Amino acid sequence: GENVEQHPSTLSVQEGDSAVIKCTYSDSASNYFPWYKQELGKRPQLIIDIRSNVGEKKDQRIAVTLNKTAKHFSLHITETQPEDSAVYFCAAPGYNTDKLIFGTGTRLQVFP
Amino acid sequence: NAGVTQTPKFQVLKTGQSMTLQCAQDMNHEYMSWYRQDPGMGLRLIHYSVGAGITDQGEVPNGYNVSRSTTEDFPLRLLSAAPSQTSVYFCASSYEAGYGYTFGSGTRLTVV
Repeated sequence: GENVEQHPSTLSVQEGDSAVIKCTYSDSASNYFPWYKQELGKRPQLIIDIRSNVGEKKDQRIAVTLNKTAKHFSLHITETQPEDSAVYFCAAPGYNTDKLIFGTGTRLQVFP
Repeated sequence: NAGVTQTPKFQVLKTGQSMTLQCAQDMNHEYMSWYRQDPGMGLRLIHYSVGAGITDQGEVPNGYNVSRSTTEDFPLRLLSAAPSQTSVYFCASSYEAGYGYTFGSGTRLTVV
């Protein structure tokens, strides 16, 4: 069935270190992979996305990589800061590409 | 430009009561969807719509109804509330199905 697996569920890092969150998807036809950040008590917000015709995309301290053969994509945050602390969600289209299926989320804590 | 507006922000219902969660967007987005968020389970799709007059079921549609009579509005109806429907509900919209979601601020629903 449609499934997006996300790991780890929690991640604690020291300020300045890097953080990596990984997701795998089931439908090889998927072609769009967004990442959302949700701060405590707030709405999810799109922070970066990648389409299947590129392998990597960067935006300042965040980057997303995509491996279509292995059907996984990852979020990389470098030089982490306390304000990066939040829950991060990956997502991918389901078999019906009108639907976006979300992973279960990763709670990132950055300690000063 | 208000984006996606959800009302109410908080609601307490008794088991068996019905209610409608409101969602409106002013971005002329064709695609709208409803998700519920529960601890450890991420965001699960309830219903979605690719345009006025068109709706379809997501991952967890049971107990919920939707309609899309206008491009702007996409209300979610709980027919007979149950404690299992206690959750945070998010409405989202985008210019195209599956891409670049903008989320509303959420409705926290408690069913007692």
